[in-house]
This record gives sequence, C-alpha cells and structure tokens, in this order.
Amino acid sequence: DADVTQTPRNRITKTGKRIMLECSQTKGHDRMYWYRQDPGLGLRLIYYSFDVKDINKGEISDGYSVSRQAQAKFSLSLESAIPNQTALYFCATSDLAASYNEQFFGPGTRLTVL
Amino acid sequence: AQSVAQPEDQVNVAEGNPLTVKCTYSVSGNPYLFWYVQYPNRGLQFLLKYITGDNLVKGSYGFEAEFNKSQTSFHLKKPSALVSDSALYFCAVRDRGSTLGRLYFGRGTQLTVWP
Repeated sequence: DADVTQTPRNRITKTGKRIMLECSQTKGHDRMYWYRQDPGLGLRLIYYSFDVKDINKGEISDGYSVSRQAQAKFSLSLESAIPNQTALYFCATSDLAASYNEQFFGPGTRLTVL
Repeated sequence: AQSVAQPEDQVNVAEGNPLTVKCTYSVSGNPYLFWYVQYPNRGLQFLLKYITGDNLVKGSYGFEAEFNKSQTSFHLKKPSALVSDSALYFCAVRDRGSTLGRLYFGRGTQLTVWP
C-alpha cells in the first residue's frame, strides 16, 4: 500500500550495531504494527500501538524496541543487532473505528545482520 | 488461544484449473477471517475477509473464500487459475470478542500456477 512507507528498503549491518527502521502512514489510522517475516514461519508480531500513548509487546519483542513519535510514525529499533534478526520486516496500519477492518502493509525492509 | 493453520506449504495448479488454498483456524470466540497475498518483493495485499452473514465471500482478482464454522475452515478458492496468481498467500484470524484486535497469521502457502 503506497500510503504506508518504510525506510530503508534494504539494510546490511554488522552484529552489535544499532539499527532503526522507520514507518510512516498517510491513512490517518490509529493502529500501527511491526511484524517480521521468516521463510516458513509466516508473520510474527513484534510490537503494536493503538495510539501515540499506547505501546504493546507482541509475541517476539525481545531484542527490539519501538517508538510512536506521532500518529503517523512508528519506528522499530534493534539496540544491538544479531544475525538471527536477519529477516523481512513489515509495518502495518489499521483503523480503530472497526475491529474487523483489515490491515494495510508497507513494502517491507529487508534486514541482513552479518 | 488464537492460531491459524495452512496445511500446505505449496500448491501447484495448471492455468485454467480451479485452485484451493486451505486454512483452518482456532479462536476462543467468533472469528473475523482474512486472506492476504504477497507478490515477490512486495508487502501483503488484502484479498478478502469474512465478518458475518453469507458464508461465501468474494474478493479481489476473482478470488472467493468459504467460511465453514463446523469445520473451522476458511479455504480460498478461484474457479480458473492464472499464471499471475502465483504468489504467497496468508490466512489470518482475529477473535471478534478481543479488545486487542491483533491478527494471527498462518505460515503461508506458496501458490504456483504453470502455463
């Protein structure tokens, strides 16, 4: 979805480095999510946020932190990257108005940790 | 606990043949169900969803899915496959009684349609 953007699109880094992945949306949605995708494992939720003051851990939050700087921006940080954090990372948004609303995904960031 | 199973890692069909991608789910309450598609080097795109009402749901690109409560299934179908349908498909579920509203995804099924 072009209304959800992620930067960078690709990143190669070394073990121990701090990395920040950024997500911005112009959909005006309240809810934002960070997922990682690994082959054969599908998408796993890292963190999610229902508004600027609300941050929640997902199923695999260890080693990650997030910041919701504004309604439209949600950043994911790896404080000290390790090789098993090599994955495809997706940001997604959804509208709070109805819980059955679908999520809209960004194009993804491919992260490689050497 | 919520979970989704996609029992087939890969589905291969010939162009023009019908296709089915299977999904079963487990939720503590009543479900909202979703299908997403991922093309190479792209994010996930929404295909269709079941909220309530008619068990047969129609979505984008000629896809449809049938909700079966007794079998806790939500299989994705298309009457006539196209080569361009080749992609990775994800089923997802949300418990409509949950205030958290998060989605649970299956592991994905790689669909290959050959000419």
